[in-house]
Amino acid sequence: EAGVTQFPSHSVIEKGQTVTLRCDPISGHDNLYWYRRVMGKEIKFLLHFVKESKQDESGMPNNRFLAERTGGTYSTLKVQPAELEDSGVYFCASSHPPPGELFFGEGSRLTVL
Amino acid sequence: ELKVEQNPLFLSMQEGKNYTIYCNYSTTSDRLYWYRQDPGKSLESLFVLLSNGAVKQEGRLMASLDTKARLSTLHITAAVHDLSATYFCAVDMRTSGSRLTFGEGTQLTVNP
Repeated sequence: EAGVTQFPSHSVIEKGQTVTLRCDPISGHDNLYWYRRVMGKEIKFLLHFVKESKQDESGMPNNRFLAERTGGTYSTLKVQPAELEDSGVYFCASSHPPPGELFFGEGSRLTVL
Repeated sequence: ELKVEQNPLFLSMQEGKNYTIYCNYSTTSDRLYWYRQDPGKSLESLFVLLSNGAVKQEGRLMASLDTKARLSTLHITAAVHDLSATYFCAVDMRTSGSRLTFGEGTQLTVNP
């Protein structure tokens, strides 16, 4: 069974540009989470989808971040426009209800220059 | 706001030695996780601790939980080079829908 996959693995963009990160959860996992680790600090929660609905988006830092999960399958996280402080590793995780154990992807490293 | 603190953040040790990583958290919790991350890889779940006094062991790693002290430990016995990685503890507040709060991670280097 395929694990959680994320794309791209590394993205380098300039300040002010747009980047879209994609996450494909494990098939059948209704719960999908985005987390990020900035500057080697703690991994912080961004948001939680249950199927296509946003269950909790309280961790989203500001309105430059937009997450979607159309159809309740894969999810995208768009950063527009990117700022220097957005650099870090963005992790996606998925789980079965009610939520069960989280399975993480390898992360997408974002570098904003 | 729930806070999770790990120490040490960096640990360099020799093969064969023992050491303990500590994880303190600020409020009551339903469960505590330990994860391992190798560079560029995903977070691998090592242990889930559910109740006070829980102890779990896998190979050279043993994790324990003291909910009264709000403390979990990850003990490494007779370290080997393959254990070099970053270790995270994370607390799950079920009331928040399985939203994990992580510590900063402990970067462990085991030297031959």
